[in-house]
Amino acid sequence: EVQLVQSGAEVKKPGESLKISCKVSGYIFTNYWISWVRQKPGKGLEWMGRIDPSDSYTQYSPSFQGHVSFSIERSLNTAYVQWRSLTASDSATYYCAKHLLLPNGNASFGLDFWGQGTTVTVFS
Amino acid sequence: SYELTQPPSVSVSPGQTARITCSGDDLSKKYAFWYQQKSGQAPVLVISEDTDRPSGIPERFSGSSSETTVTLIITGAQVEDEADYYCYSTDITGSQRVFGGGTKLTVL
Repeated sequence: EVQLVQSGAEVKKPGESLKISCKVSGYIFTNYWISWVRQKPGKGLEWMGRIDPSDSYTQYSPSFQGHVSFSIERSLNTAYVQWRSLTASDSATYYCAKHLLLPNGNASFGLDFWGQGTTVTVFS
Repeated sequence: SYELTQPPSVSVSPGQTARITCSGDDLSKKYAFWYQQKSGQAPVLVISEDTDRPSGIPERFSGSSSETTVTLIITGAQVEDEADYYCYSTDITGSQRVFGGGTKLTVL
């Protein structure tokens, strides 16, 4: 059974750093890209970017480039997103999601399985 | 930047057919995916690559595509189908992945 289990809710102050995780099971971690998606309270979904667990190659949405960074720990089957300096506008729920594969074995941009989400609250 | 446009809300009575549209300039060349998000839950994939229904998704969910518009169709909508629905696709270059603004489906 494919599962993506994310770390728990976080409460932080502006300027603090944060790293949240997404631990996967039920499939070969390095075969499928992972994307991160933001959802602010009462708002829609925003694609932040993706990482290839096989080589840690990253692609960021222009809206998030330079403000977040993605990483991988292959020995733990875990993906991470981190912030060096949080602001109140980072308050949101963050989801990780596994990419589909095309029939030819290449990665699809489509997302099939999602984590349960991690809620981040930033306030002073 | 690339955008996908959805109606903010759709309302149907139980048993009726709900249609949710998503428009984007590059949808004639790129697949779209549909996600269902119930209150307080993570999104769930309900339609893949315009028309494919993943395993475990009820048969009443289907998708269609025509030119620059894709449509999620729920034939015989049920009360439990009340949720926000998002389309998702990419621009022609493959560099901008975007979600539509979401459509709130009400079934009552």
